Amino acid sequence: AQSVTQPDIHITVSEGASLELRCNYSYGATPYLFWYVQSPGQGLQLLLKYFSGDTLVQGIKGFEAEFKRSQSSFNLRKPSVHWSDAAEYFCAVGALTGGGNKLTFGTGTQLKVEL
Amino acid sequence: DVKVTQSSRYLVKRTGEKVFLECVQDMDHENMFWYRQDPGLGLRLIYFSYDVKMKEKGDIPEGYSVSREKKERFSLILESASTNQTSMYLCASSDRGPYGYTFGSGTRLTVV
Repeated sequence: AQSVTQPDIHITVSEGASLELRCNYSYGATPYLFWYVQSPGQGLQLLLKYFSGDTLVQGIKGFEAEFKRSQSSFNLRKPSVHWSDAAEYFCAVGALTGGGNKLTFGTGTQLKVEL
Repeated sequence: DVKVTQSSRYLVKRTGEKVFLECVQDMDHENMFWYRQDPGLGLRLIYFSYDVKMKEKGDIPEGYSVSREKKERFSLILESASTNQTSMYLCASSDRGPYGYTFGSGTRLTVV
């Protein structure tokens, strides 16, 4: 079975600083990976996804993530954080089973942005 | 714009009540999912469905059931609500294949 670890529960950065959120996964085959963002009281919004090919993927809102198979990692990065990026971020790993797909989510990283 | 709509944003129910949480998607997706979200535990899968009238248990199905009579609608049922089912419930849908999910805005359920 697949699993996801987000080792940082809370992260605080200053506005304009760079950001990296860590994600490690466990999966027996080639994974497909996602990052989602959740604003308070809202559902989850897809930031970016990796299926295959280029290991550096670009997403919305200026985010990018790099898939590193040797480290089983899929870390999320942003060069300059904006106050509106304060939210909770979830990494997920997917598996194709039967007729569909099933995502397993990490426990999330809460991002606080200091002005 | 594609949508997953959950019928209630906030719900308060009494212990022992039968509770229905409704979810409708307008994207003709085959797959639908119910998760619950609790602080520090992330999202945990309750039930999912890959087709009409089909359902499979997720990681925490105890105390829940589901119904999928039509492709666009996936209902979560709490047979006899208990206080430990107080949580945020998220519905999601997706196409077949390695695709991400589209989530609804969630239903915050409080059982008193």
